[in-house]
Amino acid sequence: GAGVSQSPSNKVTEKGKDVELRCDPISGHTALYWYRQSLGQGLEFLIYFQGNSAPDKSGLPSDRFSAERTGGSVSTLTIQRTQQEDSAVYLCASSLAWLGGSTQYFGPGTRLTVL
Amino acid sequence: ELKVEQNPLFLSMQEGKNYTIYCNYSTTSDRLYWYRQDPGKSLESLFVLLSNGAVKQEGRLMASLDTKARLSTLHITAAVHDLSATYFCAVEVSGSRLTFGEGTQLTVNP
Repeated sequence: GAGVSQSPSNKVTEKGKDVELRCDPISGHTALYWYRQSLGQGLEFLIYFQGNSAPDKSGLPSDRFSAERTGGSVSTLTIQRTQQEDSAVYLCASSLAWLGGSTQYFGPGTRLTVL
Repeated sequence: ELKVEQNPLFLSMQEGKNYTIYCNYSTTSDRLYWYRQDPGKSLESLFVLLSNGAVKQEGRLMASLDTKARLSTLHITAAVHDLSATYFCAVEVSGSRLTFGEGTQLTVNP
């Protein structure tokens, strides 16, 4: 398949543990985005990467959240010391260009449950 | 802060009927996207509207953009059950990130 893939599809963790979520963008897409979707907050932007430029981290809700993108392809979103309010579906998207006007294609998401 | 508001948030309609979903946003942008989400699934791109007056149609759905009014509409013609889903509009900010509306949950009844 040529779409955005994410792993794991589901993650259950205990409060206080760290988790890593992975995203494989569509090949050739230079821009990669992380969003999260929760009942209370809807769809929220978290972070985006554009080529080799510094990422826009302005949507990260706290310093427990971080993300990296290695080799301009795969990205990992890390949540340290998880809290129950972190429970949500984390969606990754990629697009062909970061200049705007380019459709963002979404992956299937990772459903995170923090007990 | 950019706000994107959709209405209605819940829409129950009969097959064969027409209806319009509205998406209002609070700041200047000429790039607006519509997505569909089925329960338990991810977001599927429907339309990309990139200029004032843009109109796109696919099957029973038609989307339009009025950047001066900061309004986009998604019109449903002769609804069928398969259109039941949640529809999101999203406004592009700073050439990249999307700000989403709350979503409109559409149910089409036989």
